[in-house]
Amino acid sequence: DTGVSQNPRHKITKRGQNVTFRCDPISEHNRLYWYRQTLGQGPEFLTYFQNEAQLEKSRLLSDRFSAERPKGSFSTLEIQRTEQGDSAMYLCASSLVRGAYNEQFFGPGTRLTVL
Amino acid sequence: AQTVTQSQPEMSVQEAETVTLSCTYDTSENNYYLFWYKQPPSRQMILVIRQEAYKQQNATENRFSVNFQKAAKSFSLKISDSQLGDTAMYFCAFMKPANTGNQFYFGTGTSLTVIP
Repeated sequence: DTGVSQNPRHKITKRGQNVTFRCDPISEHNRLYWYRQTLGQGPEFLTYFQNEAQLEKSRLLSDRFSAERPKGSFSTLEIQRTEQGDSAMYLCASSLVRGAYNEQFFGPGTRLTVL
Repeated sequence: AQTVTQSQPEMSVQEAETVTLSCTYDTSENNYYLFWYKQPPSRQMILVIRQEAYKQQNATENRFSVNFQKAAKSFSLKISDSQLGDTAMYFCAFMKPANTGNQFYFGTGTSLTVIP
């Protein structure tokens, strides 16, 4: 399978715990995006990387959130001291920048439930 | 800031009939892209159709077509000959060009049910 993969697919945690998600983009894709989708809403942009550089962070990305893409390949999204409001689907997407428009391919998402 | 509005939370259509989903957006950008994505119950986002803002001609992909009205900032999706597999959540999305990030701004979605 050469699509975007995300692990784990589901995560249940207790409030106050730390969680980490992983995204593996399509090989050679230089941009990687993280979105959050809460129930009944569309995905909301969180942050994106071009290679290993984090170029933009949404105001939605509080200090408890940190994302990395250390070698310009896979990325991790960590949430510290989780809160019930963090419960959502976290989507990753990747693209290869070749022009003004570059199609983003989405992964299946990681569903986080904070109890 | 970019905003995308989908005013129809739920819609239904008889199989083989035609349905139109509405979307409006607000932006100060001149160059941008508009999309319709489908998200079936399995939750994987699937690209349905794309429209470049600089193109006046409406995009078409098989049974799917759009009505793009740039001055009115309107971007509706028409699904012809609806099929049961079209049942899904449909999101309208706005994308900024690559030099400003290419990130998406999504609407709240329209849940479409195709009735046999």
